[in-house]
Amino acid sequence: EDQVTQSPEALRLQEGESSSLNCSYTVSGLRGLFWYRQDPGKGPEFLFTLYSAGEEKEKERLKATLTKKESFLHITAPKPEDSATYLCAVGNNQGGKLIFGQGTELSVKP
Amino acid sequence: DGGITQSPKYLFRKEGQNVTLSCEQNLNHDAMYWYRQDPGQGLRLIYYSQIVNDFQKGDIAEGYSVSREKKESFPLTVTSAQKNPTAFYLCASLMLGELFFGEGSRLTVL
Repeated sequence: EDQVTQSPEALRLQEGESSSLNCSYTVSGLRGLFWYRQDPGKGPEFLFTLYSAGEEKEKERLKATLTKKESFLHITAPKPEDSATYLCAVGNNQGGKLIFGQGTELSVKP
Repeated sequence: DGGITQSPKYLFRKEGQNVTLSCEQNLNHDAMYWYRQDPGQGLRLIYYSQIVNDFQKGDIAEGYSVSREKKESFPLTVTSAQKNPTAFYLCASLMLGELFFGEGSRLTVL
């Protein structure tokens, strides 16, 4: 069964304290791994798509990496405005469906 | 601006009533999705449609119904058969592997 597990469930950081969020997955035929940011009461906002092991993508203080079993979202020198829930999802070979993890709630204190 | 519009943003329902959540998109995307989000859980797929006049059940379709009469519209009806309907509902459309989300509708059953 396709599955996505994110850890930790919640992460509290001080401003400037770098860290990483983990997304472990098992999937029948990976068709992309997706990272989203979700603010309270809002819809998720797309961040990155990774397709193959070894691929990396960056956007401002965020960097996403991918291996055959997991993905990391690295946050360098975070700021309070980075506080949000970060969702990971994978696409499988059954066409058009994404399987989501439960998310990591990040809080960055000034 | 192009995007996905969900309405209403907040909805209250008495037990035994059916309610319909609206989802409209002007992105010209073929595929549309409905997800349900509960606190501490990932997004769970209710229904999806890859083309007009066709839709498939997701992982938690019981108690829900949809229609796809127009490319732009994918309304979701929460019926009285849904035992625990209080949740945050998200509509999305898909293009080139990326999901675009609306701002969500929060349904509360009184």
